[in-house]
Parts: sequence; C-alpha cells; structure tokens
Amino acid sequence: DTGVSQNPRHKITKRGQNVTFRCDPISEHNRLYWYRQTLGQGPEFLTYFQNEAQLEKSRLLSDRFSAERPKGSFSTLEIQRTEQGDSAMYLCASSALAELQETQYFGPGTRLLVL
Amino acid sequence: ILNVEQSPQSLHVQEGDSTNFTCSFPSSNFYALHWYRWETAKSPEALFVMTLNGDEKKKGRISATLNTKEGYSYLYIKGSQPEDSATYLCAFMGDSSYKLIFGSGTRLLVRP
Repeated sequence: DTGVSQNPRHKITKRGQNVTFRCDPISEHNRLYWYRQTLGQGPEFLTYFQNEAQLEKSRLLSDRFSAERPKGSFSTLEIQRTEQGDSAMYLCASSALAELQETQYFGPGTRLLVL
Repeated sequence: ILNVEQSPQSLHVQEGDSTNFTCSFPSSNFYALHWYRWETAKSPEALFVMTLNGDEKKKGRISATLNTKEGYSYLYIKGSQPEDSATYLCAFMGDSSYKLIFGSGTRLLVRP
C-alpha cells in the first residue's frame, strides 16, 4: 500500500469554472476526510465519510462544494463556479475504524489556484 | 469556537540545538491530541496521537508530552538536524467528532 493518493496535484482554473479532485485512501480505511489549508493557517476540516455515508460537514462547505464517496473507496470533491477565495491546498486523509487511536493519514494534497 | 494555538510561529535554530514548541487546546471535551510534521511538497506525516493526561511519547529524537487538565502539549526535538526542517502541526480531536482542529503550526528551520 502506497498511502493516500490525490489527483491532480495542481490545478489552475479560471473563476467560474468547475473543478473536481479525487482522493484514493489507504485500502480498507473506513473513514475519509477532506480538509482545506490556506497560506499561514493550519488545515481546516471540510467533511468526512464513514464508508459511503457523509457524516459531518463543516459550515465552510458552501452550496458550491459537494463531496461523494459512492462505493466507500475513493472520494471526489467538486467545487462549482470557483471563486478566487477557493484558492487553497485541498488535503484528503483516511483512517481505520479498527485502529484504537485513529491516526489520520494524509495525502500530498491538491493545490488549487483560481485566476 | 474551539481554538488551537501554537507557539512560536517560526523558529530558526543551529544544527545540534535542542528545541521545543507549544500547543494549547481546549481542556474540555478532550479525546486526543495529534502531532504532524509537514515538509514542503510532501504529505503531512503523523508523529504522535496522545490521549492520556501525563502521557509522554518518543520517536527517535522527537518527544511529546500532554497535559489535558490545563490544555497544553509540548513537542521536543533533541539535537536538531537540517532534515528536521518542516512545519510542525498539532491538532485537537474532541469527544463528539472525528474531525481534527489544527493549530497554525510552528515552522522550524535548522541551519547546518
């Protein structure tokens, strides 16, 4: 297992366009998380899934954001009608339900720049 | 609003120096405190997950302590090396959610 992977690693888009990011968690990890990190700040929680169920969403996740995990494996995060304020690093993490202390293992992130 | 604060924001040390950082977090509804190391262009790397008051964990030259009653954790690096240069993040996990609430991090630069 090579860890959590995210694609693409970088995305440049024009304001108003839609973008979609993909996260492949560590296999057999039940929980999958999305975070967003802007310059000078720590990552901020966006949403998390347990298997295919989306169990919690942050107020940061506006109507333009949607996340899915259709088969309980990979997940996608879509941003519609992007705005310049969406420019950030989008991080995905996964954890195993069976692991007592539930370490969240992070991917390398997708850096989004909205022009 | 839950607040996690880290200090200092940045730190420049000489190779061989020992250093420490502070993370303060809410003392109520505590479940776990996570420490990560994040090098540029890489994934954040999990260092420790700490749950018990008074806990102390060690990984090589890095160690961490936890005080849940007063809401702080210290991370120590003994004999810093240039490869320790990274941003060190702490994150609070409460007892009602699995989300992590991160501090802004301490950026460490170790000069050879």
